[in-house]
Amino acid sequence: GESVGLHLPTLSVQEGDNSIINCAYSNSASDYFIWYKQESGKGPQFIIDIRSNMDKRQGQRVTVLLNKTVKHLSLQIAATQPGDSAVYFCSLSGGSNYKLTFGKGTLLTVNP
Amino acid sequence: ETGVTQSPTHLIKTRGQQVTLRCSSQSGHNTVSWYQQALGQGPQFIFQYYREEENGRGNFPPRFSGLQFPNYSSELNVNALELDDSALYLCATQVGSSYNSPLHFGNGTRLTVT
Repeated sequence: GESVGLHLPTLSVQEGDNSIINCAYSNSASDYFIWYKQESGKGPQFIIDIRSNMDKRQGQRVTVLLNKTVKHLSLQIAATQPGDSAVYFCSLSGGSNYKLTFGKGTLLTVNP
Repeated sequence: ETGVTQSPTHLIKTRGQQVTLRCSSQSGHNTVSWYQQALGQGPQFIFQYYREEENGRGNFPPRFSGLQFPNYSSELNVNALELDDSALYLCATQVGSSYNSPLHFGNGTRLTVT
């Protein structure tokens, strides 16, 4: 089966710094990866996705990197702002393509 | 704002009771999935409905059941509630049945079983 693990359950950064959140997965058949942001009292909010035929994708202030060789995924947030404080989940699908498997999440705290 | 609406937002039930949670789909999204999120954990897949039929199921017992209606709205029913069913229940919608597009989540229903 699939498993998703995060390297750090919490991350604290200063406002303006860059943040990097890491994720590891076990199933080499995983072919679609999504990062979600979840604020307190809300559902997960889509940030950015990447397919297995890519190794990098950029959005507004966010970049996702995928290393299929070592089964590692990362989310980079540039110029982190207080509004970025939330729990970040990596998720993936593959094999059975009807469900997403989520990691446990990283709590990002941005200090002013 | 995702356009996925869940009701109620909070609910308290007693062990052994039954509960129905509701989800209205974002316009044009014909697939709905339900996830259970325990405190401090990531969401866990319960099942998915596509064109009013169950399209896949996670590791949840049969007392978790669902429905999808012609307007793509959905219900999650849980019978014989147990204390461990206390969690945030999330509904997520998308276009199509496979993961070619990201899920869009509602804000969930917080269920407490006492």
